[in-house]
Amino acid sequence: KQEVTQIPAALSVPEGENLVLNCSFTDSAIYNLQWFRQDPGKGLTSLLLIQSSQREQTSGRLNASLDKSSGRSTLYIAASQPGDSATYLCAASNFNKFYFGSGTKLNVKP
Amino acid sequence: DTGVSQDPRHKITKRGQNVTFRCDPISEHNRLYWYRQTLGQGPEFLTYFQNEAQLEKSRLLSDRFSAERPKGSFSTLEIQRTEQGDSAMYLCASSYYAGQGFTEAFFGQGTRLTVV
Repeated sequence: KQEVTQIPAALSVPEGENLVLNCSFTDSAIYNLQWFRQDPGKGLTSLLLIQSSQREQTSGRLNASLDKSSGRSTLYIAASQPGDSATYLCAASNFNKFYFGSGTKLNVKP
Repeated sequence: DTGVSQDPRHKITKRGQNVTFRCDPISEHNRLYWYRQTLGQGPEFLTYFQNEAQLEKSRLLSDRFSAERPKGSFSTLEIQRTEQGDSAMYLCASSYYAGQGFTEAFFGQGTRLTVV
């Protein structure tokens, strides 16, 4: 069974910092990996999707990388802003469903 | 298309009552998923449909839970004889499956269930 781990569980940074969130998975036979953002009491908002054949994806200030052989993905956030404060979840998928980590709760201080 | 829609957003029910949630996926998506999320945890898989066929159910989905997608469009999740342990956020997602795997998944805003 796929196990997904996210480290750290919580992170607090001052505004403007660049930061990296980590996601590791135990089964490298994934189809894709997706990063989500979740605000308190809300659903999940898709940020980036990386197919298994890809190494990275970029959207604005976000860059996600994927290394299947080591079972790792990272989400890089450049020039963080208070509005980035949320919980970030990664999900590794096989052909049928997603396996989620417990998330990293990010707080960006003004 | 306004994305994945879930109704209701919040539901408070007494223990022992039955509840039903609805999910309307993105119209061109043939895959629909139900997940459950408790506080501080990541979402856990419950079940998924491809068109109207329910292809997999988690062991988390006890006999009190049933899900349907009668015409391959919207889906309902029913919980019978609710228990306090059923209190959670129930999330619905959809994607498009094209034979070699599925595309980006989109989630709804969830239904927050509180059993008192």
